Amino acid sequence: QLEESGPGLVKPSETLSLTCTVSGDSINTSSYFWGWVRQPPGGGLEWIGNVYYTGTTNYNPSLKSRVTISVDTSKNQFSLDLTSVTAADTALYYCVRQGRTLLRGTVDNWGRGSLVTVSS
Amino acid sequence: IVLTQSPDTLSLSPGDRATLSCGASQSISSGFLAWYQQKPGQSPRLLIFGVSSRATGVPDRFSGSGSGTDFSLTISRLEPEDFGVYYCQVFGSSLWTFGQGTKVEIK
Repeated sequence: QLEESGPGLVKPSETLSLTCTVSGDSINTSSYFWGWVRQPPGGGLEWIGNVYYTGTTNYNPSLKSRVTISVDTSKNQFSLDLTSVTAADTALYYCVRQGRTLLRGTVDNWGRGSLVTVSS
Repeated sequence: IVLTQSPDTLSLSPGDRATLSCGASQSISSGFLAWYQQKPGQSPRLLIFGVSSRATGVPDRFSGSGSGTDFSLTISRLEPEDFGVYYCQVFGSSLWTFGQGTKVEIK
């Protein structure tokens, strides 16, 4: 199970920060990446990026300059930082499990999502 | 790789056959093509992976097919619970990309 946490409101130009807590599974596995997908209101899905338990990351090129995803294996958590946010970053942010060896190339487990609104 | 789904909206009745298309801007030779279902107010759910393999618990009325740049998801007989939005997704070069979605609505 994956559960997102973090502020629901962020001011323009500031940094959006979310944490995902993983339960019932260990982040310390070679089988999966741990990532973030977002969905603007009424819109489609956009992959943001992911992290492997070693700390290796992959990012969507369109967001790469503003995104940092990190992992804390001691807490079984991973986090998202998105800098210099604008209203276009308003979205439902899902933390997800992505297949690396098992179900390779898929997103096989999704959190319930955390709505983040960018507004002053 | 850019994925383009068609149509944007499919209006059908329960019992109908639904065919959703997903076109890729370049050939997906790896076979890493998946489909997801999203119902209103819910998180997406993995339906199909590896072009044609059903995920655990997915009814056999759902099937995936295709190769190269053209892929499709078929729902043989629509059930009331099948109405929602469907997304295709490709994995390649350590990047995950989604299509824009097809909404299957009740006619």
